[in-house]
Order: sequence, then C-alpha cells, then structure tokens
Amino acid sequence: SYELTQPPSVSVSPGQTARITCSGDALPKKYAYWYQQKSGQAPVLVIYEDIKRPSGIPERFSGSNSGTVATLTISGAQVEDEADFYCYSTDNSGNLWVFGGGTKLTVL
Amino acid sequence: HVQLQESGPGLVKPSETLSLSCTVSSGSVTDYYWTWIRQPAGKGLEWIGRAYSSGDTNYNPSLKSRVTMSVDTSENQFSLRLTSVTAADTAVYYCARTLGVSGASHYSYYMDVWGKGTTVIVSS
Repeated sequence: SYELTQPPSVSVSPGQTARITCSGDALPKKYAYWYQQKSGQAPVLVIYEDIKRPSGIPERFSGSNSGTVATLTISGAQVEDEADFYCYSTDNSGNLWVFGGGTKLTVL
Repeated sequence: HVQLQESGPGLVKPSETLSLSCTVSSGSVTDYYWTWIRQPAGKGLEWIGRAYSSGDTNYNPSLKSRVTMSVDTSENQFSLRLTSVTAADTAVYYCARTLGVSGASHYSYYMDVWGKGTTVIVSS
C-alpha cells in the first residue's frame, strides 16, 4: 500500500497565505495533483503536474514539490476558498494511485 | 465542454453487485482514460480504478478482486461493476475523465473533469 499524508486542518484569516502539505515517499519521482472540494460538490482540479494551474483557477493558487513533500499554496486566501483539499499521486510502481486524507481549509 | 453523468441504482443489497454507468456528453470516450472514485459520507476520496477504450484497466489492489470496469464506445459511456458489496461500499461514486501525460521519468494520469456523483447505499 502507499499513503499520502496531509494535515487534517489549516486555518487562516482572509488575505493571509495558506499552505497545505502532502508527504509521500514517491513524490521525489512522481507528480502531485491537488483537488478542491467544496461542501456537497464534486472535486475540482486546481493544480496538476506539481506546479501547473488549469485555466479558470485563480492565480493565488500555486503548487510546489520538493523532496518528499508537495505543497499547495493559496496566496491571499479568500473566504470562498474554504473547502477540503486533497493531494493525489502514485506509488513508485505507478500502478497504485491514491488521495491524501484531505485537509479542511478554514478562512475566517 | 464535456459533461459526465453517473447513473445506477441508489440502493443495493449486501452480497449483490453494484453496477454504475457514466454517460459522456459533448465529447467522446475514445482517446481518454476514465476513472471511478468514491467517497463515504464525511470521509476522504478513494481511487477505485481506471479504464481505457482499448480494454486496458488498472484497479486499486484493495478492490481488484471485486471490480470490473469497461468502456462502451458505441454508447459513449463507461461502467463500473463491484461485486459482493457490503455496507463499507456505501458512498458517493464519481466518474471522471482522465488524462495520461508523459513526464521526465514516468507516465502520469489525472482527472480533469468529474461528474456530480451518485449516492449508493448498501442495505437490506
């Protein structure tokens, strides 16, 4: 089995920078992806291939991947960014894909 | 833009087979991979597996003995079958379009478009 580890919760005030980490042994060699899931909705891709942002995702969302830790950064978090965030990646074999346990972001 | 819609029974009896379909609108099931993901109420996301129109599949080892996925190009939909269900299989099930990309040292797959999800309850 393979696990990606995220903090259960992160809390910031509006306008502050929120950082959500994702730890996994295979991350030095594998891409990390990030999904935002607002209450009652399907997840939405916010970062792909470690650092890329899909069209329509605000520039305040950025990603990085260094060593065994991938990080999602929300610069100047807004109240509307409140959601659960999940990282997603694969193990060294590339056959098992997993989500992190999820991080609840509170902005207030 | 492409839209996905999950469909299937909302209630399945224990030990029976869960069968779901995902219909693809404004796009074709060919040339993409397709993934099923589930989420028990109040819990995180679980990757179930992935299928391609060629028949290529890749399943989560924890479910592999019970899972079958297929892509039907004539109906432009893909499907999930999960056998011998228990209460632990109760969840919201999502289908998602999946892109395959070649990285510097590996191949990677990720979901870029998701359906809204369908709730499946396993209960007698």
